[in-house]
Parts: sequence; structure tokens; C-alpha cells
Amino acid sequence: EDKVVQSPLSLVVHEGDTVTLNCSYEVTNFRSLLWYKQEKKAPTFLFMLTSSGIEKKSGRLSSILDKKELSSILNITATQTGDSAIYLCDPGNQFYFGTGTSLTVIP
Amino acid sequence: ETGVTQSPTHLIKTRGQQVTLRCSSQSGHNTVSWYQQALGQGPQFIFQYYREEENGRGNFPPRFSGLQFPNYSSELNVNALELDDSALYLCASSLKVFTEAFFGQGTRLTVV
Repeated sequence: EDKVVQSPLSLVVHEGDTVTLNCSYEVTNFRSLLWYKQEKKAPTFLFMLTSSGIEKKSGRLSSILDKKELSSILNITATQTGDSAIYLCDPGNQFYFGTGTSLTVIP
Repeated sequence: ETGVTQSPTHLIKTRGQQVTLRCSSQSGHNTVSWYQQALGQGPQFIFQYYREEENGRGNFPPRFSGLQFPNYSSELNVNALELDDSALYLCASSLKVFTEAFFGQGTRLTVV
């Protein structure tokens, strides 16, 4: 059975801290892994990763895929209160989202 | 380019009733997926439609049914509502599977 596990489940940090969120997956016919940010209702797209070892970057956020370890990490540097959200991982087919990591950034 | 829109935004129903939720896909998107999200949980996959055909189904009972129309808009129907059906229902559309999904703002369903 396909599975997605995200860790930690929740995280509370102070502004300026760096955080690393993890996503482990076991899915058949894997093609890509996507990260989303959910602030209130609608998740919004962050990254799509298809190749192992190639970092994708957007401002203070970056993400990398490790196909050998069946995992991905999402890094956020110099966190801001606006980064407070639930971060969701989708191993590509939109069928399975992890439970998400709830990030709270304290001023 | 219009985004994904869902209606209604909020809904209160009584246990045992039936409900229909609607979703208009982003222009040009032929894949639509529906999710149930309880408080503090990630979205749980209900089903996905690709060009009007069901392309996958999650672990939900048959009283959850759906439809995709020729214009790629979609409906989620839930019969015999139970209290545990209270949740945020999200719809997402994409150009195809394995690509970025665009989510609507959701329908908050409360069953009393």
C-alpha cells in the first residue's frame, strides 16, 4: 500500500531560525514529488521534484529529492511569521498527501 | 485565466441528509481531485477524475460519489450524511496527473 510520512508533525520556532521538514514515501510508479503550503484553506504549490540530488530553490525555501532513500526535505532559512502554515508533501499522483508538518514561527 | 472555484463555501446539513458540492476547474485542466480534510489532518484523497472517467479512488464508502462534466467541472455527492463527514472538502484541478495541482478554497461542511 502506498504511504507518505511527514516529520515532524509540528514545529514551533523563532523568527530567523532555519527549519528542515521531511517527507518519506513509498509509492508505486513514482514520478515526482510536490510540496505545498497550506495557510488557511487552499494549499498552494511550492516545488515539484523529479530528479534526485538536484536542489530547487525559491527565495528562502529550498527542496531536494533523494530517490535512493525515498525521501525529500524542505528547508526554510531565516524563517518569518508568514512562513507559519502546514506544509504538505505529495508523491506525485495527487492520491496521497502526508499529514503535513504544522510550522509556527514566533516573532 | 480563472482559478479553481468551489461552491458553496459553507454548508450545514443534518445527519442522514444528502449534499452536493461543486467545483469549477481552472481553464484547460482536465483532471480534478477531491479531498476531505479534518482539522489537524492532511487532505484525504476521495477520488480523481480524468476526462470524465474516474481515475482513482481513496478509502471512502460508496455513499461518496462524483461526477465530472464535459467542461471538466465536477461534483461531489455525499449521501446519508454522518457527523464524521464534517470537514473541509477541497477540490484541485491540474493539466494532468503528476503535475502541480491548483486548489479551490474549499467547502466547509458541518453535519449536525
